[in-house]
Amino acid sequence: DAGVIQSPRHEVTEMGQEVTLRCKPISGHNSLFWYRQTMMRGLELLIYFNNNVPIDDSGMPEDRFSAKMPNASFSTLKIQPSEPRDSAVYFCASSLTSGGSRYFGAGTRLSVL
Amino acid sequence: DQQVKQNSPSLSVQEGRISILNCDYTNSMFDYFLWYKKYPAEGPTFLISISSIKDKNEDGRFTVFLNKSAKHLSLHIVPSQPGDSAVYFCAAQWVQGAQKLVFGQGTRLTINP
Repeated sequence: DAGVIQSPRHEVTEMGQEVTLRCKPISGHNSLFWYRQTMMRGLELLIYFNNNVPIDDSGMPEDRFSAKMPNASFSTLKIQPSEPRDSAVYFCASSLTSGGSRYFGAGTRLSVL
Repeated sequence: DQQVKQNSPSLSVQEGRISILNCDYTNSMFDYFLWYKKYPAEGPTFLISISSIKDKNEDGRFTVFLNKSAKHLSLHIVPSQPGDSAVYFCAAQWVQGAQKLVFGQGTRLTINP
């Protein structure tokens, strides 16, 4: 298996633009997680899905952030409109079960100018 | 509110010596603890874990110690090797119930030859 695949690897955009981050989890994994990494706060959980259903989105910073999982093999994290403080590395992870070991993608480094 | 804290952002150790990375947590509900390792441009990967019913878990050169009364855990790497240079994240979760894995800010370990 190729592991968790995230795209793009790098995204540079201007403030106010819409940004969409993509994730393909490991086949057969039932849970998917979106994390954000910053220097100050480390890895923060934004939202997680179980069987394509959002279970907990309490970590989503504001209404500008939204996440979807239309099927078991694809998820998106959208920021609209983006702001400079959204600049961070965003990781997607999947696991066989919601409490199981997380397998992380390589991340998307987002820079909002 | 940082429930898992790694107070040392960086640590430098000479090759062959012991590396000790520390982590403190505040939530007494946590009962399972993990360490992840992250190389540049890659996602975090699982390294070692410990359940709250134990105070020590060993895997090769890596040992994790848990002091529940002090709400403190540490990762020991002996002997340290150049390939151990990475960012190490401490994480904690509840085994039952919530599937939130709470991460610390990370410690960048540099092994000097």
